Amino acid sequence: DAGVIQSPRHEVTEMGQEVTLRCKPISGHNSLFWYRQTMMRGLELLIYFNNNVPIDDSGMPEDRFSAKMPNASFSTLKIQPSEPRDSAVYFCASSLSFGTTSFYNEQFFGPGTRLTVL
Amino acid sequence: GIQVEQSPPDLILQEGANSTLRCNFSDSVNNLQWFHQNPWGQLINLFYIPSGTKQNGRLSATTVATERYSLLYISSSQTTDSGVYFCATGGGNKLTFGTGTQLKVEL
Repeated sequence: DAGVIQSPRHEVTEMGQEVTLRCKPISGHNSLFWYRQTMMRGLELLIYFNNNVPIDDSGMPEDRFSAKMPNASFSTLKIQPSEPRDSAVYFCASSLSFGTTSFYNEQFFGPGTRLTVL
Repeated sequence: GIQVEQSPPDLILQEGANSTLRCNFSDSVNNLQWFHQNPWGQLINLFYIPSGTKQNGRLSATTVATERYSLLYISSSQTTDSGVYFCATGGGNKLTFGTGTQLKVEL
């Protein structure tokens, strides 16, 4: 089975340019997560979707960041305009979450996109 | 939000040695995972373990949710075990990551 797929794997761009990162979750999963990893801040959750609906975007750093999930098999994270401090590895993860009293939500991560903004 | 602390931050082992990694968290949780980030940056799922004990080969994990900690045991370590081990936990769908334990296994 294919895991979470992310593209591109590496992106180098110049300050001020628009960057779009893409993610295809595992088929059948109903939750999708975008994380960012930096040396200074570690791994942090940016936003997550449940059944294609954004549930919590409190981790999105500022208005330059936006995320969409138009259908169950595709999501994008866009940065416009990009800045050097956005340089990081961006991970997408997905899970099949269910349950209330007995809750299950194991997340599986994609390979990440390494973004460098010059 | 929830605080997640991991110890030790760094660990160097000789091949064949055993080790225990610890994860403390500040609030009740219903979701806890251990990951291995290999030298190529991939995050590999090790355990989904909000409570109880699980074993997978040379690795095992125990979470005592009432006391707010989890342990990851690595036995007979191998050089391929090198990398960073993350604990991530939280309530509901959200995961908060610890800062990780950097493990190096030497011959």
